[in-house]
Amino acid sequence: EVQLVESGGGLVKPGGSLRLSCAASGFTFSSYSMNWVRQAPGKGLEWVSSISSSNSYIYYADSVKGRFTISRDNAKNALYLQMNSLRDEDTAIYYCARAPECGSSCIYWFFDLWGRGTLVTVAS
Amino acid sequence: EIVLTQSPATLSLSPGERATLSCRASQSVSSYLAWYQLKPGQAPRLLIYDASNRATGIPARFSGSGSGTDFTLTISSLEPEDFAVYCCQQRSNWPLTFGGGTKVEIK
Repeated sequence: EVQLVESGGGLVKPGGSLRLSCAASGFTFSSYSMNWVRQAPGKGLEWVSSISSSNSYIYYADSVKGRFTISRDNAKNALYLQMNSLRDEDTAIYYCARAPECGSSCIYWFFDLWGRGTLVTVAS
Repeated sequence: EIVLTQSPATLSLSPGERATLSCRASQSVSSYLAWYQLKPGQAPRLLIYDASNRATGIPARFSGSGSGTDFTLTISSLEPEDFAVYCCQQRSNWPLTFGGGTKVEIK
């Protein structure tokens, strides 16, 4: 089955750290760019970070730049998000999402497959 | 940053009716706009990419149109499973941005 499954969410204090994981299955993970998108309670979707299939392109939202690090392990079919210096406003459901590619530097930055998300709560 | 404004915020309709949802961009995004369906506790689902292309497995009752700054998602005849939140997303410029969403609820 083609799917993405996030894990690693939980309750963390402000200033703390958390590492999210996304396990991919049913497709050739190394051929796709991957992304993290979040949704805060009662709010809309917010793009967080993106990484291309070969790590050539990495992007971050200004709201997380310098605090979050996206990475991937193509051998393990896994995507990660290391989140440091967490703030109250980082509280959200974090989704892993796939973006198709059409060549080494040709990426369609829309999201054709999503996971169900993992909840991150930052509170004291 | 490109701001996407969706309207209306809520659409109250009955099954079988036609739904017309709008997404307006603060500057041109060409045709680089996607639509998603969101339901609580489920993975979001891609409906339309690049303004008018239906994603794999999406029923023909979903259609998208528009270019530049004005886009429309149309559901020709609402099925019970279509009552959900719909949001748009642009990939023309970084950062990637989403609209605030339109909730389609049962009247």
